Amino acid sequence: GQQLNQSPQSMFIQEGEDVSMNCTSSSIFNTWLWYKQDPGEGPVLLIALYKAGELTSNGRLTAQFGITRKDSFLNISASIPSDVGIYFCAGLNNAGNMLTFGGGTRLMVKP
Amino acid sequence: SQTIHQWPATLVQPVGSPLSLECTVEGTSNPNLYWYRQAAGRGLQLLFYSVGIGQISSEVPQNLSASRPQDRQFILSSKKLLLSDSGFYLCAWSASGNTIYFGEGSWLTVV
Repeated sequence: GQQLNQSPQSMFIQEGEDVSMNCTSSSIFNTWLWYKQDPGEGPVLLIALYKAGELTSNGRLTAQFGITRKDSFLNISASIPSDVGIYFCAGLNNAGNMLTFGGGTRLMVKP
Repeated sequence: SQTIHQWPATLVQPVGSPLSLECTVEGTSNPNLYWYRQAAGRGLQLLFYSVGIGQISSEVPQNLSASRPQDRQFILSSKKLLLSDSGFYLCAWSASGNTIYFGEGSWLTVV
């Protein structure tokens, strides 16, 4: 099925640095979601975005729903070792019953 | 509050053997239910989704099947496993039009 274009695929950064990742789509979504997956576990929801242009924060995380409804970005400020994992963006369809996922961004943080 | 559980957490099965993964959701009624598969280091692929008892939609042709015998129970099965069925299987649920939440995942290794 359709996938969102998520970039970068992987990042290796120093502890304390800020991180930015984004997703783009050829289709419009009404809801954008960002998940984090730790090794061997299921994805956990980080942030949900419901309105075009919406900017939402959750601690050191900030995400924005693009004004065109075809893109979203996630920023992590002052990264720490426990931020390590795979981050997925996902778009929820109009019916609210189908998620389309990005390919994931693997984040590695060097202490 | 709502919770989702899936089991077993890990499974090692020989080629040609059957498979049964179970998932249950608590604290909600008539959820949408999903089965995803994640190959190692890759994104999430939707396998099946269900909007109600006995209603199953398949997204990808394969030798897996899904059943929903009860409102909050979703089962992933196979009559004969292939090596390519190895992966990390995730059950998920959502209320209609809302965010999708994932279970802990089940590691399947076919040998």
